[in-house]
Amino acid sequence: DTGVSQNPRHKITKRGQNVTFRCDPISEHNRLYWYRQTLGQGPEFLTYFQNEAQLEKSRLLSDRFSAERPKGSFSTLEIQRTEQGDSAMYLCASRRGQGGNSPLHFGNGTRLTVT
Amino acid sequence: GQQLNQSPQSMFIQEGEDVSMNCTSSSIFNTWLWYKQDPGEGPVLLIALYKAGELTSNGRLTAQFGITRKDSFLNISASIPSDVGIYFCAGQRANSKLTFGKGITLSVRP
Repeated sequence: DTGVSQNPRHKITKRGQNVTFRCDPISEHNRLYWYRQTLGQGPEFLTYFQNEAQLEKSRLLSDRFSAERPKGSFSTLEIQRTEQGDSAMYLCASRRGQGGNSPLHFGNGTRLTVT
Repeated sequence: GQQLNQSPQSMFIQEGEDVSMNCTSSSIFNTWLWYKQDPGEGPVLLIALYKAGELTSNGRLTAQFGITRKDSFLNISASIPSDVGIYFCAGQRANSKLTFGKGITLSVRP
């Protein structure tokens, strides 16, 4: 069990630029989640996938945000035309989707700073 | 927005003391979880609770799923310096996303 892996760990970008983050879930986990966390707050749900299907998106996920999981394994989260308000920690998590509510396991996140 | 209430925002205890944290919700959850987060890292699962009234321990940690399914508590006994961090409760409904509280920052004085 290598855990959930996220890359990069840190990203600094200028306002208006596009950024893409990657998440590799735990290998046998078919559900993958993206959360965003700002200072002093708990993680807030953005979206989740079951295998390659994106099943739910939060209202926090504006049109500038897009997530994909093309082969049901790793996922990418892209933010277009970044704004300073996008600065946050972006967390990925995964879990098994069958047999009840198995717990989420989180990666160490990608910290985005938009200047 | 977030629906889980954790207070106070910060707690300060002496090494060796026990500490208890509560989490309440205005709505019912089927699963309660407690996570700990260290600076610059993702939340790490401490305890998961799946049944109302369930009491579960993990070393010095004990957590309970409230019988109303709207609350949970976490106890840490005999605190040590490495217990420092942010403790989040999270609730989950069947096959749905996790909803987190704002977290409690725990400081342990040696």
